[in-house]
Amino acid sequence: DTGVSQNPRHKITKRGQNVTFRCDPISEHNRLYWYRQTLGQGPEFLTYFQNEAQLEKSRLLSDRFSAERPKGSFSTLEIQRTEQGDSAMYLCASSQSIIPWGHFGPGTRLTVT
Amino acid sequence: AQSVAQPEDQVNVAEGNPLTVKCTYSVSGNPYLFWYVQYPNRGLQFLLKYITGDNLVKGSYGFEAEFNKSQTSFHLKKPSALVSDSALYFCAVRGQTGANNLFFGTGTRLTVIP
Repeated sequence: DTGVSQNPRHKITKRGQNVTFRCDPISEHNRLYWYRQTLGQGPEFLTYFQNEAQLEKSRLLSDRFSAERPKGSFSTLEIQRTEQGDSAMYLCASSQSIIPWGHFGPGTRLTVT
Repeated sequence: AQSVAQPEDQVNVAEGNPLTVKCTYSVSGNPYLFWYVQYPNRGLQFLLKYITGDNLVKGSYGFEAEFNKSQTSFHLKKPSALVSDSALYFCAVRGQTGANNLFFGTGTRLTVIP
């Protein structure tokens, strides 16, 4: 069990640029979640995959956000035309259980300048 | 609608004293409740969960939590605090029955004073 990994750990980008984050879940975990955490807040759910299927999306996931999980393994989260309000920690979690408690990765901290 | 409240932004406790971090919840159906800890610049680490069964749940690092249905509470406790317990603690509840997401509280920063 090598844990959930996320890359990059930190990303600084200029407003209007596109960014992509990667999450590698624990192997054989078929469930994968993305959360966003802003300063002083708890994580907020963004989206959920079961295998390669994206089964749930939060209203927080605007049209500028897209997530994929090809072949049900790693996942990517892309933000297009970044805005300063996108600055946050983006957390990925994976789980084998139907109960969405998951193992969380270390997160990717995005700073939009 | 489901929600979690952590009424204390900050809890200070002396090393060796018992600690309590409070959490109350609101959810339809049977609650699935969780506690996580977050160290600086790190992701969330799972501490314990309540799904069903015994109201007193034991978890990692000597932590435990008591589920109280009548008070809709799930307070985190530890008999003897360590300086290394200083961190940010989050309570979470699963969304409505069958949901695939967790709702988190705003967190409580625990500081253990040597």
